[in-house]
Amino acid sequence: DAKTTQPTSMDCAEGRAANLPCNHSTISGNEYVYWYRQIHSQGPQYIIHGLKNNETNEMASLIITEDRKSSTLILPHATLRDTAVYYCIVRVGGSQSNFGNEKLTFGTGTRLTIIP
Amino acid sequence: NAGVTQTPKFQVLKTGQSMTLQCAQDMNHEYMSWYRQDPGMGLRLIHYSVGAGITDQGEVPNGYNVSRSTTEDFPLRLLSAAPSQTSVYFCASSSLAGQYFGPGTRLTVT
Repeated sequence: DAKTTQPTSMDCAEGRAANLPCNHSTISGNEYVYWYRQIHSQGPQYIIHGLKNNETNEMASLIITEDRKSSTLILPHATLRDTAVYYCIVRVGGSQSNFGNEKLTFGTGTRLTIIP
Repeated sequence: NAGVTQTPKFQVLKTGQSMTLQCAQDMNHEYMSWYRQDPGMGLRLIHYSVGAGITDQGEVPNGYNVSRSTTEDFPLRLLSAAPSQTSVYFCASSSLAGQYFGPGTRLTVT
């Protein structure tokens, strides 16, 4: 799986949009970008994933650059409950997941703190 | 639908003791895995299974055994606990969308 690079930490004011960047310059054509978050002491939580098109769900939006070498997770109206560590992961998978290669590699992620 | 459940939530062991961490999922997922997370670090894969009767090693398998006799259950066994195994253990099961994690087991080995 391709390696990702994320800032160690970020702050965001409550109610504002939180934009979390991720670099994955060695991503392969069949690798998807996944985002998870981990709220203190809890298990990681799936947020969103995408291949090359921008994606949106009830939690967040994912913007992937045209060359797919970087992406941004957007939490449109951050709340205090969004304070967590956010992990950007690239892996083979998505709509045609290769279950023999489901080994997610978690880095250290971005610690996002929402400021009241 | 309970998702992924883990027991116990907390456990203290003495060096050399053995124990089994339980993990169960009710989503009929074929793929399940075990991770450990040490303070301030990301998750590291211990073992995984792509279906009943099939298991394989992850990044840090030493000192741990797994088995997968049913789709629902994926227990993790510590054969002879060591202080280096003090960690938080997460079990996960996978669908096409992504992995779903249990609440974790916090293990301390003294």
